Amino acid sequence: ILNVEQSPQSLHVQEGDSTNFTCSFPSSNFYALHWYRWETAKSPEALFVMTLNGDEKKKGRISATLNTKEGYSYLYIKGSQPEDSATYLCAFTPNTGGFKTIFGAGTRLFVKA
Amino acid sequence: GAGVSQSPRYKVAKRGQDVALRCDPISGHVSLFWYQQALGQGPEFLTYFQNEAQLDKSGLPSDRFFAERPEGSVSTLKIQRTQQEDSAVYLCASSLEGTYNEQFFGPGTRLTVL
Repeated sequence: ILNVEQSPQSLHVQEGDSTNFTCSFPSSNFYALHWYRWETAKSPEALFVMTLNGDEKKKGRISATLNTKEGYSYLYIKGSQPEDSATYLCAFTPNTGGFKTIFGAGTRLFVKA
Repeated sequence: GAGVSQSPRYKVAKRGQDVALRCDPISGHVSLFWYQQALGQGPEFLTYFQNEAQLDKSGLPSDRFFAERPEGSVSTLKIQRTQQEDSAVYLCASSLEGTYNEQFFGPGTRLTVL
């Protein structure tokens, strides 16, 4: 069974704090790893798609790393702002001949001003 | 440009009714995905289209669920004889091609089966 685990389930931080979340996925049959940000009442928005072991991607204050050999990815937010409050979803695409994208349950981030 | 749109945004159905959910992907996007999202969980894959071809329907939970994309653009997800456990948000996403490109999501259709 292919499973994606995200931790923590939720996180409360103060404005200005830096934070990070973890996504664990099967280390075999890796094809791609996606991070999405989902604000309440909006559609999920793509942050990063990573395909190579050791990939590091950055968009503003948000960055992500990928370790396909051990099956984990970290998402970092530097200097959290209230507008960063959202659910951060991780999704894994296996290389098993299908087109399934498997999502984790997400990490819900609350940033208090 | 226009993003992915879905209609209706909300649908209430009585148990046993058939429903049809529509997705308009971004123009030119080859790939289209349908997901089902239950409360408190991440989106769960239902099916995948590449143009008009349904290449993966491994996530459809039963033969009551049927999806089509006859002209390679608009897609419809149909649920026959709805059951209470079908209540969920149904998300549609499109991408340029394949599963290694970012997916652009629609706002979803919230289905409630009474």
